Amino acid sequence: DAGITQSPRHKVTETGTPVTLRCHQTENHRYMYWYRQDPGHGLRLIHYSYGVKDTDKGEVSDGYSVSRSKTEDFLLTLESATSSQTSVYFCAISVEQGAGKNTFGSGTRLTVV
Amino acid sequence: RKEVEQDPGPFNVPEGATVAFNCTYSNSASQSFFWYRQDCRKEPKLLMSVYSSGNEDGRFTAQLNRASQYISLLIRDSKLSDSATYLCAVSTMDSNYQLIWGAGTKLIIKP
Repeated sequence: DAGITQSPRHKVTETGTPVTLRCHQTENHRYMYWYRQDPGHGLRLIHYSYGVKDTDKGEVSDGYSVSRSKTEDFLLTLESATSSQTSVYFCAISVEQGAGKNTFGSGTRLTVV
Repeated sequence: RKEVEQDPGPFNVPEGATVAFNCTYSNSASQSFFWYRQDCRKEPKLLMSVYSSGNEDGRFTAQLNRASQYISLLIRDSKLSDSATYLCAVSTMDSNYQLIWGAGTKLIIKP
């Protein structure tokens, strides 16, 4: 399997606190993505990156920020967590943009109380 | 209307049967199409790409119907291990080639 790990795997946090999720890859892939998955919705793109310090917004970027200071690491930050951000967060990597062959991490289950 | 729609199911199918489900997309300019499989509480994994000419991989066949704007996935001789949620994904120039996802179709294979 591709080397992509997410941390933490589970987190419970309080409303209003900042939260950072980490995605780490060992594949040296250029493209990295953060998605959220909620019941009744497909995966929704939050932010993506096409290189170090090159990031762009996805469909549901409000309330989230990202950083990519190294090829292998892509961080997702919830500036001030809200209950609507309770979700499962997946990181994905790909060699080509939009090529569809995304490899996903195992996910982070985030609960905001 | 959602850009990519799937029947959520569940489809309850006896082992050994053939099952098919579709995924419709609204943007006629969609260019790339994919099926992913997601097991319960796991990450999605690419099952197969969908080409204009169709694509077959063992018991799985994917087809594209551009005129009616849907893709299909057919599973023959279904196995208990095929139980999962099947997600379709579509990319378009409008989405900057990022994938737009359906919410998934849940398949349950019964012995």
